Amino acid sequence: DAGVIQSPRHEVTEMGQEVTLRCKPISGHDYLFWYRQTMMRGLELLIYFNNNVPIDDSGMPEDRFSAKMPNASFSTLKIQPSEPRDSAVYFCASSLYGGTQGQYFGPGTRLTVL
Amino acid sequence: RKEVEQDPGPFNVPEGATVAFNCTYSNSASQSFFWYRQDCRKEPKLLMSVYSSGNEDGRFTAQLNRASQYISLLIRDSKLSDSATYLCVVNGGGGFKTIFGAGTRLFVKA
Repeated sequence: DAGVIQSPRHEVTEMGQEVTLRCKPISGHDYLFWYRQTMMRGLELLIYFNNNVPIDDSGMPEDRFSAKMPNASFSTLKIQPSEPRDSAVYFCASSLYGGTQGQYFGPGTRLTVL
Repeated sequence: RKEVEQDPGPFNVPEGATVAFNCTYSNSASQSFFWYRQDCRKEPKLLMSVYSSGNEDGRFTAQLNRASQYISLLIRDSKLSDSATYLCVVNGGGGFKTIFGAGTRLFVKA
């Protein structure tokens, strides 16, 4: 079975540009999580969905960040406009039962904002 | 105080050694506990769940102490391939919000 799929794997953009990160969760998983990882702050939960509905977006840093899940097999995380401090690795993870049995991570998108 | 705290290490141990990692969490309402492993420039991968009764998977043993809000991971007979960062993870305590510790670096030397 395919794991969590993320695209692109690497993204380099200039400050002020819009960035869209994509995620396909494991088929059948009903929870989807977006994380950001930096050396300074470690792994931070940004937002999570249950059955395509956003449940907790308290980790989204500011209004420049938005996430959608239009169907069970696709989610996007958008940053508009991007800033250099957004440079990080963004992971998507999916799970059953809210992650009470663990979450499965995609390979991540390494974002660099110049 | 951080919600999940770990000793960042690094731990440098020879092959065959036994090494233990500890983790504390602040939210007493937390419901699920895990250890993840993350290799350099890779995604975190679930290593094992942690239960109050303790659980073992080969050379790895995990333990949860709810009264002390403390989680541990023991690795016996360390292998070179065990070199990685080990992340303590706490889930729940209101919804399914997941909190990751900052991780403990382990280097196993030949």
